[in-house]
Amino acid sequence: ETGVTQSPTHLIKTRGQQVTLRCSSQSGHNTVSWYQQALGQGPQFIFQYYREEENGRGNFPPRFSGLQFPNYSSELNVNALELDDSALYLCASSSRTANTEAFFGQGTRLTVV
Amino acid sequence: SQQGEEDPQALSIQEGENATMNCSYKTSINNLQWYRQNSGRGLVHLILIRSNEREKHSGRLRVTLDTSKKSSSLLITASRAADTASYFCATDATTDSWGKLQFGAGTQVVVTP
Repeated sequence: ETGVTQSPTHLIKTRGQQVTLRCSSQSGHNTVSWYQQALGQGPQFIFQYYREEENGRGNFPPRFSGLQFPNYSSELNVNALELDDSALYLCASSSRTANTEAFFGQGTRLTVV
Repeated sequence: SQQGEEDPQALSIQEGENATMNCSYKTSINNLQWYRQNSGRGLVHLILIRSNEREKHSGRLRVTLDTSKKSSSLLITASRAADTASYFCATDATTDSWGKLQFGAGTQVVVTP
């Protein structure tokens, strides 16, 4: 158990819809990063939040957006869903201050139909 | 594009044998981490090795890092059926990208009883 929890576990949405995924970071961690993992691939970095601000983004379009709350939990929002957005979405929590390794949640499996 | 590449893509061994997988990366790094993933679920952190370290051990795991060759290896000794999983290396590049991990495509390991 890493102490990082994600919800929901599975989700099915229709193309064009919007989705919000949630992540609770491990106690004491102030940084949350989100990753997209397509089937058979390694995770791809989407963006990172530190102290409630976006702190770096990977090669993902603006319809992927996020938030971090004062308790360091985070949301990933995806608008105008496309079929290619079907993937496992992982969040990772870490402490930038303590320079710790990243601990991952169990992920949210998103299927877009 | 992915920073790291694991080799081999897949590995099949019997219980008790050792499993070795390699990771190559492209740019300078702060550290390199190895993760395990079972059946498309969350990533489990195995070991972190910093750029100034050359070897690290954790239980049955041994990781080496050669920054001159931009490569790392993960050795699992006396493998067990429970070690069946995908293994990923992830790098944390130096240029203000702390915690923004770049993953390879992984090595799929199958350990048969």
